[in-house]
Amino acid sequence: EVQLVESGGGLVQPGGSLRLSCTASGFTFSDHYMDWVRQAPGKGLEWVGRTRNKANSYTTEYAASVKGRFTISRDDSNNSLSLQMNSLKTEDTAVYYCVRAGISGSRPFDYWGQGTLVTVSS
Amino acid sequence: SYELTQPPSVSVSPGQTASITCSGDKLGGKYVCWYQQKPGQSPVLVIYADTKRPSGIPERFSGSNSGNTATLTVSGTQAVDEADYYCQAWDSSTSSVVFGGGTKLSVL
Repeated sequence: EVQLVESGGGLVQPGGSLRLSCTASGFTFSDHYMDWVRQAPGKGLEWVGRTRNKANSYTTEYAASVKGRFTISRDDSNNSLSLQMNSLKTEDTAVYYCVRAGISGSRPFDYWGQGTLVTVSS
Repeated sequence: SYELTQPPSVSVSPGQTASITCSGDKLGGKYVCWYQQKPGQSPVLVIYADTKRPSGIPERFSGSNSGNTATLTVSGTQAVDEADYYCQAWDSSTSSVVFGGGTKLSVL
């Protein structure tokens, strides 16, 4: 059974930092692209960024709203994904989902974690 | 930046067909996915690559994509289908994933 479990959410002040983690199980983690998607309270889904697999040189992509502030990394040996968030703003308040992108060409988000809430507030 | 536009809400009577649209420039040239999200739950993939259904998704869910519009169709809509639905595509020009704003499907 595929499982994605996020951790690390919490309350942080504006300008602060936070690191989210995602532990994956039930599939060959190293084969997949992995993404982060967030959802502000009462709002829609917003893509945060992606890390590709080893075959694609672990390249990363980021949404314009977080580029330069957030960093995605992965550890295939531990089946883990991380999101380092710096210079946090109140508008970064959201539930953050760890998401697996499928192997097929369209890379659909076929499995989602339960999400972890990040609140940026003074 | 690339944008996907969805109607905020769609209403349907039980047993009828609901259609949710997603519009974007030359969207027919991209693969579109659809996600269902119920309150308090994580999204679930219901359609990928425009028309494909993941295993476990009922046959009443179908998708199409042509021109500037992709459509999610729910045939024989049931109360359990009441949820928010989001379309999603990959924008190769900016190397980014784009989501539509979401559509609340109400089964009245």
